[in-house]
Amino acid sequence: EIVMTQSPATLSVSPGERATLSCRASQSVSSNLAWYQQKPGQAPRLLIYGASTRATGIPARFSGSGSGTEFTLTISSLQSEDFAVYYCQHYNNWPPPPWTFGQGTKVEIK
Amino acid sequence: EVQLVESGGGLVQPGGSLRLSCAASGFTFSNYSMNWVRQAPGKGLEWVSYISNSSSTIYYADSVKGRFTISRGNAKNSLYLQMNSLRAEDTALYYCARGAGKSHLFDYWGQGTLVTVSS
Repeated sequence: EIVMTQSPATLSVSPGERATLSCRASQSVSSNLAWYQQKPGQAPRLLIYGASTRATGIPARFSGSGSGTEFTLTISSLQSEDFAVYYCQHYNNWPPPPWTFGQGTKVEIK
Repeated sequence: EVQLVESGGGLVQPGGSLRLSCAASGFTFSNYSMNWVRQAPGKGLEWVSYISNSSSTIYYADSVKGRFTISRGNAKNSLYLQMNSLRAEDTALYYCARGAGKSHLFDYWGQGTLVTVSS
C-alpha cells in the first residue's frame, strides 16, 4: 500500500497571501496524483489531477506541481472561500488498490 | 449537471447490516466506474470500494473485504453498497464518487449518507 503524507497538518495564512501545501508518496506514483478541497459540511471537490492539471472550473490561483514522490499544491493568493481542508490522493494503477489519501492539510485564517 | 445522491444510512447495532444506494443522473452512468469513499467523524478520507462500468472488476479496501459488497444497476443508474457484520469503526459518512475516465481519481461526489454503528 502506498502511504501518502501531507504537511503541514495546519497552515495559518492571511487572505491574499500564498499557501504552499506538500504531499509525499511512500513510493513513486508518477504523475497520478490528485488534490481535493473539502469545506465544512460539504463533499470533497476535485481541484487538480495529473499532479498539475486543474479540474473544470477551478480558478487559476490553484496550481499543482511535482512527480514521483514529492508534490505541491500552491494557492497563489488566498481568498476567503479557499479556507478549507485539502487532501492529496494517488491513483496509480500499480500496486493494486487501495488508492490512498493523505491525512489532509487544514488551511485556516491567520 | 452530474448529480449523485446517496441514501440508506442510519443507526445500526454492531453486527448488523445496512444497504446504501447512490442514484446517479446527468451523465451516462453505464460508461463510468464508481466508488464508495468514507469519512469517519472528524477524520480524513478512506477509499472503500470500486466497481468498473460493467461490474467486471471490483476492488475492496482490506478493512471491509469479506463484509461489504459493491454492486450497480446500470438500467437504474444506481450504485449500491451492502454492508454486513458492521463494526463501530465503520461509523462514517459514506460518499459515492464517480471515477474519472480510466483513472482512479474521483471527479464528482455525492453529499454522503451517515452510517452510525452503535449499541
